[in-house]
Amino acid sequence: SQQGEEDPQALSIQEGENATMNCSYKTSINNLQWYRQNSGRGLVHLILIRSNEREKHSGRLRVTLDTSKKSSSLLITASRAADTASYFCATDNNNDMRFGAGTRLTVKP
Amino acid sequence: KAGVTQTPRYLIKTRGQQVTLSCSPISGHRSVSWYQQTPGQGLQFLFEYFSETQRNKGNFPGRFSGRQFSNSRSEMNVSTLELGDSALYLCASSLGRLGTQYFGPGTRLLVL
Repeated sequence: SQQGEEDPQALSIQEGENATMNCSYKTSINNLQWYRQNSGRGLVHLILIRSNEREKHSGRLRVTLDTSKKSSSLLITASRAADTASYFCATDNNNDMRFGAGTRLTVKP
Repeated sequence: KAGVTQTPRYLIKTRGQQVTLSCSPISGHRSVSWYQQTPGQGLQFLFEYFSETQRNKGNFPGRFSGRQFSNSRSEMNVSTLELGDSALYLCASSLGRLGTQYFGPGTRLLVL
């Protein structure tokens, strides 16, 4: 069964705009990770945030984590057409990793 | 370092047959996890192997099995294939248990 739920399911924006995706989960976690998947290929790890961290940055990516609300958000700033992909959050509870259903992001040039 | 490799990349089988998929992790990685991805169910965790031992298993029937060898390479087997087993099977490796996962390109299985 899935642990995380991403919101929205799909997002379409213009190049240069910011994209925000949210993830909610149900159980306590050790860390939360975000991955990107281009059209039916393998997933690529983007960023990991530990349960005792509240915010993390990596290039144009900003991730926040609110363990009290069991939610996380991924912000992609100044989006590019190459950011078009599906984005998944994954929770690690020291037992296994569970992925959400993903957000399909389309960035129009 | 070479990435995670999976073979074969594409496979067509018929109902009732069995299939074996192979995954070679990144050199030095001892953990290998398998996932099934379908449009309807999304990414579902199958199992995780660490140091040749299955550490965790997802909610899949016994037809799905796997193993890990001493060189950390892993195989998964699906017996008595059903139409619903058509999916992209992804393998991921990590240094230790769980943590950052490095995914292979996947094996796309079509069951007719």
